[in-house]
Amino acid sequence: DQQVKQNSPSLSVQEGRISILNCDYTNSMFDYFLWYKKYPAEGPTFLISISSIKDKNEDGRFTVFLNKSAKHLSLHIVPSQPGDSAVYFCAALGGATNKLIFGTGTLLAVQP
Amino acid sequence: EPEVTQTPSHQVTQMGQEVILRCVPISNHLYFYWYRQILGQKVEFLVSFYNNEISEKSEIFDDQFSVERPDGSNFTLKIRSTKLEDSAMYFCASSEILGGDEQYFGPGTRLTVT
Repeated sequence: DQQVKQNSPSLSVQEGRISILNCDYTNSMFDYFLWYKKYPAEGPTFLISISSIKDKNEDGRFTVFLNKSAKHLSLHIVPSQPGDSAVYFCAALGGATNKLIFGTGTLLAVQP
Repeated sequence: EPEVTQTPSHQVTQMGQEVILRCVPISNHLYFYWYRQILGQKVEFLVSFYNNEISEKSEIFDDQFSVERPDGSNFTLKIRSTKLEDSAMYFCASSEILGGDEQYFGPGTRLTVT
């Protein structure tokens, strides 16, 4: 079941630069998308979300972009900080279901 | 800031034994969930719970699994007869409303079945 895909297992970025994490999905019934950050030995922490009726949502250093026609979303972090180093999961909700469908995650390393 | 808590943080059990994983969701949340992550794999949905009954479950959530809200604060996941393949991180989550709302996760319980 590959309904939500994160094709980059890892990403390395310099401190102060932009981090762009990508996510693709296949199910057009998804109507809400979320990004979670996860540190080792901790649970996923909610970061930011976007409804399918929008194409952008911004919260401080974090912006999520949604391209419905391409079934693609991205998370931009700017400026990146060493404390942002973690695994980032894209997740989707949709239809009559309340279960989150997660991607495989991208490990972000922000180099000082 | 309110948070979801889980106990124990690590549980080791022998195959065939019963385990109960405990969670205290955020107090004003109405929807409760269990997810699991097998090492190296995705976070997978197990079950959601609302108004004292299961609202949705995955194919993973077979007859060996059950959930309960025994009182006003706890939410438990029971595995009746554990198998080796049940070894995973189990995450509890809660949300205020259904769908379109953020689900807040606990720190997880690492279950090791030997």
